[in-house]
Amino acid sequence: GDSVTQMEGPVTLSEEAFLTINCTYTATGYPSLFWYVQYPGEGLQLLLKATKADDKGSNKGFEATYRKETTSFHLEKGSVQVSDSAVYFCALTGQRNDYKLSFGAGTTVTVRA
Amino acid sequence: DAGVTQSPTHLIKTRGQQVTLRCSPKSGHDTVSWYQQALGQGPQFIFQYYEEEERQRGNFPDRFSGHQFPNYSSELNVNALLLGDSALYLCASRLGPSLRTETFGSGTRLTVV
Repeated sequence: GDSVTQMEGPVTLSEEAFLTINCTYTATGYPSLFWYVQYPGEGLQLLLKATKADDKGSNKGFEATYRKETTSFHLEKGSVQVSDSAVYFCALTGQRNDYKLSFGAGTTVTVRA
Repeated sequence: DAGVTQSPTHLIKTRGQQVTLRCSPKSGHDTVSWYQQALGQGPQFIFQYYEEEERQRGNFPDRFSGHQFPNYSSELNVNALLLGDSALYLCASRLGPSLRTETFGSGTRLTVV
């Protein structure tokens, strides 16, 4: 079945550092790919998405590019802030009649001032 | 515009009991999905409801059941609670089962003792 593997955490960074969280997927056909963020005590918020190969999703300074050749969707941000401290989840939905989201295990990111 | 609302926010149940969790979808949305998020893990898909029917189900036992009402709100019922059912239960809604983007609620934290 479809699955997502993402970089294990926790990740601790200083403010203004560069952030990369690796995500690779296994799926048949052409899934849609997502990054969700979960702040402490809250539900999930959609951060960005990409629905076809070579698409780049971007939001709030975060970017991720859908790479079908490497089955990857790595999340990057050039300069993190303390407010970016959260748990980040990579996820996918399959094709046609498979509409559920399949999530990775999550990566905890802590940004220190 | 209210987002996805879930109730209660927290509850504690005893092993063997039954529990009902409730979800009101975002205004304009007609499809509801439920996810279970164990501590330190990514959410796992339980099932999706559309037009008051279960449209897709994840790998969960029959102890987990649901319902969708004509106003699109939904309930998740869990019978014969086990300690392992302790988790954050997330409700998500979308417009139509095929739309790829879901909006999540803040969840119900269930503790089974």
